[in-house]
Amino acid sequence: GESVGLHLPTLSVQEGDNSIINCAYSNSASDYFIWYKQESGKGPQFIIDIRSNMDKRQGQRVTVLLNKTVKHLSLQIAATQPGDSAVYFCADNQGAQKLVFGQGTRLTINP
Amino acid sequence: KAGVTQTPRYLIKTRGQQVTLSCSPISGHRSVSWYQQTPGQGLQFLFEYFSETQRNKGNFPGRFSGRQFSNSRSEMNVSTLELGDSALYLCASSTRGQSSGANVLTFGAGSRLTVL
Repeated sequence: GESVGLHLPTLSVQEGDNSIINCAYSNSASDYFIWYKQESGKGPQFIIDIRSNMDKRQGQRVTVLLNKTVKHLSLQIAATQPGDSAVYFCADNQGAQKLVFGQGTRLTINP
Repeated sequence: KAGVTQTPRYLIKTRGQQVTLSCSPISGHRSVSWYQQTPGQGLQFLFEYFSETQRNKGNFPGRFSGRQFSNSRSEMNVSTLELGDSALYLCASSTRGQSSGANVLTFGAGSRLTVL
């Protein structure tokens, strides 16, 4: 079946550095991707989304890049802060509110 | 604006029992989706309801069922519980309309079910 995978289960960065979290997908027809952040004891929280007619989208301190040729997307977090510590998921929206999630990358911020 | 509310937050059941979880979506959101989160399988789609109708269903056995009421509140039920049903059950709501961002899901904090 279709799948979404993350490259690294954990990522550790220094506070103030930039973080890059990668994700790969298998469905060539996928046209809408979403990044979620999940903090301990909470449900996933929407960060940013991107449609397949774009290759880059920017938010506040976050940028998502989409490379449809190699079916890869990444989430870049600028000037990482302690509050960014969480598990980050990429998700492929396959329609009718059905999201296929990757396994998640746990981001740890070192002081 | 109140978020997605799930009750109960924690519960413990034994094998063979059944459980009902409740979800109140954001006011105005007519779509409610349910997801199961486990360490091994991650986040997996269970089903989605819109205007009291199930519109989409994931690959879970028939022991997992749900429903939606006219006020958009939703419940999910798991019958004949198994140890492997231990998980965090997440509910999400959206407007599911045509406008930009309508498909963005807002998740609740989840109901953590432990089956002994």
